[in-house]
Amino acid sequence: DAKTTQPNSMESNEEEPVHLPCNHSTISGTDYIHWYRQLPSQGPEYVIHGLTSNVNNRMASLAIAEDRKSSTLILHRATLRDAAVYYCILRDVGSGGSNYKLTFGKGTLLTVNP
Amino acid sequence: DAGVIQSPRHEVTEMGQEVTLRCKPISGHDYLFWYRQTMMRGLELLIYFNNNVPIDDSGMPEDRFSAKMPNASFSTLKIQPSEPRDSAVYFCASRKQGFSNEQFFGPGTRLTVL
Repeated sequence: DAKTTQPNSMESNEEEPVHLPCNHSTISGTDYIHWYRQLPSQGPEYVIHGLTSNVNNRMASLAIAEDRKSSTLILHRATLRDAAVYYCILRDVGSGGSNYKLTFGKGTLLTVNP
Repeated sequence: DAGVIQSPRHEVTEMGQEVTLRCKPISGHDYLFWYRQTMMRGLELLIYFNNNVPIDDSGMPEDRFSAKMPNASFSTLKIQPSEPRDSAVYFCASRKQGFSNEQFFGPGTRLTVL
């Protein structure tokens, strides 16, 4: 499986934007980029995913480099509730798009200061 | 919808005892996943099912672990006999094929084996 590299931790201030980087230099053409986050004492929750184009949803934006070797999760205005571990995951859809396995790394621990 | 339901939320048992963890996926979802999370190894996929059939059990650590899905609304993960190194948080997740790429996680079962 292609691997991802994320900083162990990042810090932000409340109501400021946060840019969480992810490197995936060995990404293949069939790898989707997924982001999940895990709030303290909870199960992971889906944030966003993309393939080639930048993506926006109500939670965040995903900016994907043109060569797809890196991506950035953008939280436009961090709140205290956004303090969590953020996981960048590659999912290889392979042939037929039937591979739904997610391999979680160590992620980035985001601390949000009031 | 109630989301993914797991029981029990906490389990404390003694080494050698049988442990059964339970999961009820979101109604209508046809994929079910079992994960284990520890400080040392992070979040690991143990096994996943599609339409009640095990698809990939390569993450199951050893023969002491077994998982079943007798119907679309119920799955169990059994450890027999349990060992202290099995202490972890076990998450169940489900998703619907073709609808989105989102896996929905349950709240987890915290297992402590003394």
